[in-house]
Amino acid sequence: KQEVTQIPAALSVPEGENLVLNCSFTDSAIYNLQWFRQDPGKGLTSLLLIQSSQREQTSGRLNASLDKSSGRSTLYIAASQPGDSATYLCAAGANSKLTFGKGITLSVRP
Amino acid sequence: GAVVSQHPSWVICKSGTSVKIECRSLDFQATTMFWYRQFPKQSLMLMATSNEGSKATYEQGVEKDKFLINHASLTLSTLTVTSAHPEDSSFYICSALPTGVNTEAFFGQGTRLTVV
Repeated sequence: KQEVTQIPAALSVPEGENLVLNCSFTDSAIYNLQWFRQDPGKGLTSLLLIQSSQREQTSGRLNASLDKSSGRSTLYIAASQPGDSATYLCAAGANSKLTFGKGITLSVRP
Repeated sequence: GAVVSQHPSWVICKSGTSVKIECRSLDFQATTMFWYRQFPKQSLMLMATSNEGSKATYEQGVEKDKFLINHASLTLSTLTVTSAHPEDSSFYICSALPTGVNTEAFFGQGTRLTVV
């Protein structure tokens, strides 16, 4: 059974800092790895999707990497802004199902 | 991008009543849709996989008679919480998978259910 872990559960950084959010998964037989953003009381916004054959994906200030063999993915946020404050969830996809981590709640201080 | 509309966005109901939540794919067809539940500060947990024209597949521990799923068309799946109790209060989110191989699933906005 796939298990996805995100540590730490919460993170607070000053504005402008570059940061890395970590995600680990136990079963490397995945089709893709996806990162989402969730604002309080809201649904999910897809940030980046990495297919199993890919090593990384980039969108603006965000860069996500995937290392299947070690069961790890990272989300890199460059030059963080207060508007980046949210919960970031990673999800490992296999057989069309997504297994989610509990998320990392990020607070970017002005 | 692909849009999934979930309705209602929030609902309050009395204990013992039933609540229906709709999930619609607006600009694509989805043979498969998924229903998740999220408790506060917890991860999204898959409840069931909804397949158009056939019975839903429920995850272990999810009561199929309590959480009725209907996927009558390629653009609509519904989740009915029957005889709701306060412990069913949660955030329910659906996602729809465009027909194809290893395509990305798109998520609805979620429904906040509060049972009083």
